[in-house]
Amino acid sequence: DGGITQSPKYLFRKEGQNVTLSCEQNLNHDAMYWYRQDPGQGLRLIYYSQIVNDFQKGDIAEGYSVSREKKESFPLTVTSAQKNPTAFYLCASSDRDGNEQFFGPGTRLTVL
Amino acid sequence: AQSVTQLDSQVPVFEEAPVELRCNYSSSVSVYLFWYVQYPNQGLQLLLKYLSGSTLVKGINGFEAEFNKSQTSFHLRKPSVHISDTAEYFCAVSDGPGGYQKVTFGTGTKLQVIP
Repeated sequence: DGGITQSPKYLFRKEGQNVTLSCEQNLNHDAMYWYRQDPGQGLRLIYYSQIVNDFQKGDIAEGYSVSREKKESFPLTVTSAQKNPTAFYLCASSDRDGNEQFFGPGTRLTVL
Repeated sequence: AQSVTQLDSQVPVFEEAPVELRCNYSSSVSVYLFWYVQYPNQGLQLLLKYLSGSTLVKGINGFEAEFNKSQTSFHLRKPSVHISDTAEYFCAVSDGPGGYQKVTFGTGTKLQVIP
């Protein structure tokens, strides 16, 4: 079955540590996205990538970094510079037309 | 810049009653409109989308939405809700065709179906 996988589902981190969230898709989509979801705030775009080896900052990129070395993979690193990283993180992908975004199951990150 | 407003953060409704979840948008160009559903601790799933053509769009799980350009609205409706419809619903807008377009999401409406 085609889809998007995110791992792990739950992640705990100590303050000051970097952590990497995995996102893999087998939909052969060109574009991939990372969103952060907080209660009552909807989804906010962190980074997006339209093709391999290229990515752009979204609305809230500070304290985050990404890479896109393979079409199927778009990992997100939450760095120690992110002041309030506890949130639900969603990865998505879309085809070149961008008519619809397909979402992964999400990773809930908690900073202890 | 585009924006989406979901006026109701929570909507309680009795089982088998009809429901309408409201969505208004603003955009300076032609738009694509979407409704997504999110069950607890899960990702978003597309319910329906308006790209062009008929303004009445039918989606999965018996939901439908009507695009009203003059009122810049895209309200979601279901004639009879079920307990399994309890979830959070997000309206979203993008600036129409032309390759990658940023999608802007509303803040969500939690639908609570009361048995």
